Amino acid sequence: KQEVTQIPAALSVPEGENLVLNCSFTDSAIYNLQWFRQDPGKGLTSLLLIQSSQREQTSGRLNASLDKSSGRSTLYIAASQPGDSATYLCAVGGGTSYGKLTFGQGTILTVHP
Amino acid sequence: NAGVTQTPKFRVLKTGQSMTLLCAQDMNHEYMYWYRQDPGMGLRLIHYSVGEGTTAKGEVPDGYNVSRLKKQNFLLGLESAAPSQTSVYFCASSYIRTAITEAFFGQGTRLTVV
Repeated sequence: KQEVTQIPAALSVPEGENLVLNCSFTDSAIYNLQWFRQDPGKGLTSLLLIQSSQREQTSGRLNASLDKSSGRSTLYIAASQPGDSATYLCAVGGGTSYGKLTFGQGTILTVHP
Repeated sequence: NAGVTQTPKFRVLKTGQSMTLLCAQDMNHEYMYWYRQDPGMGLRLIHYSVGEGTTAKGEVPDGYNVSRLKKQNFLLGLESAAPSQTSVYFCASSYIRTAITEAFFGQGTRLTVV
């Protein structure tokens, strides 16, 4: 059974810092990996999708990397802003999963001015 | 562009009552899913559908039923609600494309069973 772990569970940083969120998974036979953002009381917003054949994806100040062999992904946020404060969720899709996702428990990020 | 829409957004039920949560997507996606989110547990898959008229069990299906009579709609039913079903429920849909599936989520339904 696939298990996804996110470290740290919570992170507080001053505005302007670059930061890294970590995601690890136990079964390397994944189809893709998706990073989401969730604001309090809201739904999930997709940030980045990495296919299993890719090593990284970038969108603005966000960069996500994938190392299937070691079962790890990182989400790098450059020049953090208070508006980046949210919960960040990592989810992996298995090879025969029909798009089903296994989620980590998330990292709660607080960026203070 | 509505994407994935869930109704209702909030609901309070008494133990033993029944209700149906509705999910609608306007992206012509084949796959649809129901997840629940609980503190400390992350999101867990309840049921899913790979096309109109099909349904399958996920990780935590007990106490729930689903139907997909139309491609754009996926219904989640609670026949006899229990306090353990207090949770936030998310519907999602995804498309089929070679080597890619990307999930899109609704805004959630917050359900409290008292």
